[in-house]
Amino acid sequence: GDSVTQMEGPVTLSEEAFLTINCTYTATGYPSLFWYVQYPGEGLQLLLKATKADDKGSNKGFEATYRKETTSFHLEKGSVQVSDSAVYFCALNKTRQSGGSYIPTFGRGTSLIVHP
Amino acid sequence: DVKVTQSSRYLVKRTGEKVFLECVQDMDHENMFWYRQDPGLGLRLIYFSYDVKMKEKGDIPEGYSVSREKKERFSLILESASTNQTSMYLCASSLRTGVSGYTFGSGTRLTVV
Repeated sequence: GDSVTQMEGPVTLSEEAFLTINCTYTATGYPSLFWYVQYPGEGLQLLLKATKADDKGSNKGFEATYRKETTSFHLEKGSVQVSDSAVYFCALNKTRQSGGSYIPTFGRGTSLIVHP
Repeated sequence: DVKVTQSSRYLVKRTGEKVFLECVQDMDHENMFWYRQDPGLGLRLIYFSYDVKMKEKGDIPEGYSVSREKKERFSLILESASTNQTSMYLCASSLRTGVSGYTFGSGTRLTVV
C-alpha cells in the first residue's frame, strides 16, 4: 500500500542554520505531495504542495521538489528561525475506490527545534 | 479561507459516557475526516466521509461511529468512552480530489477518566 517515510526527529538546529527534512514515498500512479506544519497545541496547516513530477512547492522560505525518479519530496529552508520550531508532516493523497475520493497518507512527523 | 471548526478544544469525560465531537466546515468540501493523534504514532484515520450520509472506516474505527447528516457537519461518536481513547482528535476536510490539500481544525484534546 501507499506509505510515506520521514526522517526521525527531533532535528535540533541553531537559528539561521540550513534545514533539510527527508521524505520518501511509495505509491502507484501520480499522487500529489504535501508538507504540513503543526505548532504546539494546534491542528495541521498546509505549508506547501506539488501536484506533479518536478514541481517545486514553496512558502514562507520553505521549499520542496517532487522527484519522481527518487520518490522523494524533501523539505528545505535556507535559514531557520526560532519561530519555525514545530512538527512537520509529509503527506500524499491517494484515491480509494469508494466514491473516488482521495485520502491522505501521512508520515509520522518530524519535530524541529530551533535554538537562538 | 476554508475554516474547519471543532466544537471543543478540551474535553474531560468519564469512562462509559457517550461522547460527541463535532466538526463543521464552511467551504462546501465533499470529503471530511476524523483522525486521532498520539505521541509516536502519528495521525491515524478513524473514519472518513465522501458525501452526505456516506462513511467509510479508516484504520482504527473500533469503538467509534460517525454521522454526516449535512454536508458541512461531521460528528465523531464514542459510544462508551474508555481510557485508551484519551487522545488529540483532529477533523479535516477537502475537495474530492484533495489536490488543494486538506484543511484541519484546531483539534480536541479528550481526556477520559
